[in-house]
This record gives sequence, C-alpha cells and structure tokens, in this order.
Amino acid sequence: GNSVTQMEGPVTLSEEAFLTINCTYTATGYPSLFWYVQYPGEGLQLLLKATKADDKGSNKGFEATYRKETTSFHLEKGSVQVSDSAVYFCALSGRGSSNTGKLIFGQGTTLQVKP
Amino acid sequence: KAGVTQTPRYLIKTRGQQVTLSCSPISGHRSVSWYQQTPGQGLQFLFEYFSETQRNKGNFPGRFSGRQFSNSRSEMNVSTLELGDSALYLCASSPGRDRGINEQFFGPGTRLTVL
Repeated sequence: GNSVTQMEGPVTLSEEAFLTINCTYTATGYPSLFWYVQYPGEGLQLLLKATKADDKGSNKGFEATYRKETTSFHLEKGSVQVSDSAVYFCALSGRGSSNTGKLIFGQGTTLQVKP
Repeated sequence: KAGVTQTPRYLIKTRGQQVTLSCSPISGHRSVSWYQQTPGQGLQFLFEYFSETQRNKGNFPGRFSGRQFSNSRSEMNVSTLELGDSALYLCASSPGRDRGINEQFFGPGTRLTVL
C-alpha cells in the first residue's frame, strides 16, 4: 500500500541555518504530495503541495520538489527562524476511489530552532 | 473565509461512555475527513464523507462512526470508549471535486481524554 517515510527527529538548528527534512514515499500511480506544519496545541496547516512530477511547491520560504525518479519530496528552507519551530508532516494523496479523501502521513519531524 | 471549526476543543470521558465530536467545514467544501492523532500511531485516517455519504473508511473498529448533514457539517461518534481512544481528533475539509489532488484544510482538533 501507499506509505510515507520521514527522517527521524528532532532536528535542532540555529537561527539562519539551512533546513532539509527528508521525505520519501511509496505509491502506485501518481500521487499528490503535501507538507503540513503543526504548531503546539493546534491543527495542521498546509505549507505547500505538488501534484505532478517535477512540480515545485513553495510557501513562506519553504520549498519542495516532487521527484518521481527518487520518490522523494524533501522540504528545504534557506534560513530558518525561531518561529519555524514546529512539527512538519509529509503526506500523500493517492489516486482512485480507495484513496478518496484520505491523506497518508509520515511520522512527523520536530524542528527546534534556537536563537 | 472562516476556517474549519471543531467542537468541543477538549473532552474528558470515562471508559465505556460514548462521545460525539462535531466539525464545520469551510463554506463551500463538501468533503470532510476525520483523523486520529496519537504519539504512538501518528496520524491515521478514520473516514471521509461527501454529500452526506461515506466515501472511504480507514481501519478502525465499528465503534467509530460518523455522519454528514446536508449543510456539510459532520459528526463522529465513538461508542464504548477505551483508554486507547485518548487522542487528538482532527477534522479536515476540501472541496471534494477532484478525488486525486485532495488538498485538505484542518481544524484545531478535539482533544479527547479517556479515564
């Protein structure tokens, strides 16, 4: 079945450091891919998305490119801020009726940014 | 547009009781999905409703059920609560028109504690 694997956390960085959070997936066909962020005590916020191979999603300085050849969707940011501290989830949405309305999530990666 | 709202935000119940959680989607969205989030299992899909019909269901026991009303508001019910049902329950809405892309917008969640 479809699945998502994220790098283990927590990830601790200093402010202005470069961020990469790895995400790989297993899916049949051509899934859509997403990054969500969860701040303490809140629900998930959609950060960015990509719906086909080679698409690059971007938002708030974060970027991720849909790489079908490596089945990856790594999240990057050039310069993190303390306010980026949160849990980041990679997710996929498969095609077909059995995947309708269903997101499959990775286990989440906690990011802590220190001043 | 107002976001997804969930009520109540916090709930404490005892084993054997039942509970009903409510979700109001973004105006115009017809699809509502429910997820359970726990530290051990992460985010797991419960079910999805579209136009008052359940279109998809995850691997949860029959104690977990849901419904959707004509205004797209949705409720989920858990009967005969167990300690392991303690979790954050998240509701997400999407337009529901394209089954493949499935961009979902999440509410803040209901934190259920079972004693």
